[in-house]
Amino acid sequence: QSALTQPPSASGSPGQSVTISCTGTSSDVGGYNYVSWYQQHPGKAPKLMIYEVSKRPSGVPDRFSGSKSANTASLTVSGLQAEDEADYYCTSYADSNIVIFGGGTKLTVL
Amino acid sequence: QLQLQESGPGLVKPSETLSLSCTVSGGSISSSRYYWGWIRQPPGKGLEWVGSMYYSGSTYYNPSLKSRVSISVDTSKNQFSLKVTSVTATDTAVYYCGSGGDSSSWYAMDVWGQGTTVTVSS
Repeated sequence: QSALTQPPSASGSPGQSVTISCTGTSSDVGGYNYVSWYQQHPGKAPKLMIYEVSKRPSGVPDRFSGSKSANTASLTVSGLQAEDEADYYCTSYADSNIVIFGGGTKLTVL
Repeated sequence: QLQLQESGPGLVKPSETLSLSCTVSGGSISSSRYYWGWIRQPPGKGLEWVGSMYYSGSTYYNPSLKSRVSISVDTSKNQFSLKVTSVTATDTAVYYCGSGGDSSSWYAMDVWGQGTTVTVSS
């Protein structure tokens, strides 16, 4: 299984919205509703932001939202804030009970 | 509230076995509410799923590591462990233990340890 494809970087100004894509195949993203998104600040452990495509864990601001269309999942961050600047990783359950990560996207708040 | 803490040697010699433990507090390692897993991150690179273990005892591993990796549980210590055999420099990484389950998803981790750095070098 190949890694999911994410853009290496994304950016936006405070208050704006930014969307990060995550492209897989019908064997992973397109085949299951088990896409998750993690936020990772430098030197810190990842934090779950979205699970099962669009669900938010308790405590995650509703500025973060997830969606999926065919083999591509997306994370949208609305009302960008300085603290949103971080690396974001998507993951998906895939055939044969494995989990695949995307390569990560560095989000810069301008 | 579930908390996880990794422990183990920070330096492992090439060809030897990397062994890490993750101590669980705030919950039972035997609970059907959780699953347990390991993720690693080589220096300056992205996250990589290593493997997961479920209440049923089923374990699943990254195909690229499958022949060298095993995850096990020690109920007496409320810990789960990772072993990676025949390590090389490419196994150098920060290793995170994590958990998910009925509080979020069986294929996502909503609780993470702080991570432990393992360097493979002679």
